[in-house]
Amino acid sequence: AQSVTQPDIHITVSEGASLELRCNYSYGATPYLFWYVQSPGQGLQLLLKYFSGDTLVQGIKGFEAEFKRSQSSFNLRKPSVHWSDAAEYFCAVAIPTGTASKLTFGTGTRLQVTL
Amino acid sequence: DAGVTQSPTHLIKTRGQQVTLRCSPKSGHDTVSWYQQALGQGPQFIFQYYEEEERQRGNFPDRFSGHQFPNYSSELNVNALWLGDSALYLCASSLGRGSYNEQFFGPGTRLTVL
Repeated sequence: AQSVTQPDIHITVSEGASLELRCNYSYGATPYLFWYVQSPGQGLQLLLKYFSGDTLVQGIKGFEAEFKRSQSSFNLRKPSVHWSDAAEYFCAVAIPTGTASKLTFGTGTRLQVTL
Repeated sequence: DAGVTQSPTHLIKTRGQQVTLRCSPKSGHDTVSWYQQALGQGPQFIFQYYEEEERQRGNFPDRFSGHQFPNYSSELNVNALWLGDSALYLCASSLGRGSYNEQFFGPGTRLTVL
């Protein structure tokens, strides 16, 4: 069964600093990969996704992620963090079965932004 | 265009009771998935409904059951509630056919079991 690891439970960065959130997955082949953001009291919003092709994907709100097959990683990055980016971030995988297959999530990384 | 809606927003129950949560999918979507998110954890897949049938199921006991109606809305039922069922229950909708389609999440229902 597939699994997702987010090794950082909590990260604090200063506004304007760069950000990288780590995600590693375990699966025999390349799954579909996702990053979601959850603000307090809100549902999950999709930031970006990777299915195939270019390993550097761009998402909303200035986020990007890079897929590295050799490291089974899909790390999320942002060059300059804004205070409004403070939230919980979840990495997720889905098996490419060709249908709306289930998502398997990591445990999340809570991002705090200091002014 | 309304997104995914869920009701109620919050719910408090006692152990042993039964609860029903409701979800209306995004317009045009025909597939509904339910997830349980315990405090401090990532969402865990409960099950998915498409064409009024349960298509996939996660590692949850039979106390968790669901239903999908002809208008694609869905219900999640949990019987014999226990303290460990306290969580945020998220509904996600998507298109069931074709290649993988994005799942859109509702705001969730916060269930507290006392």
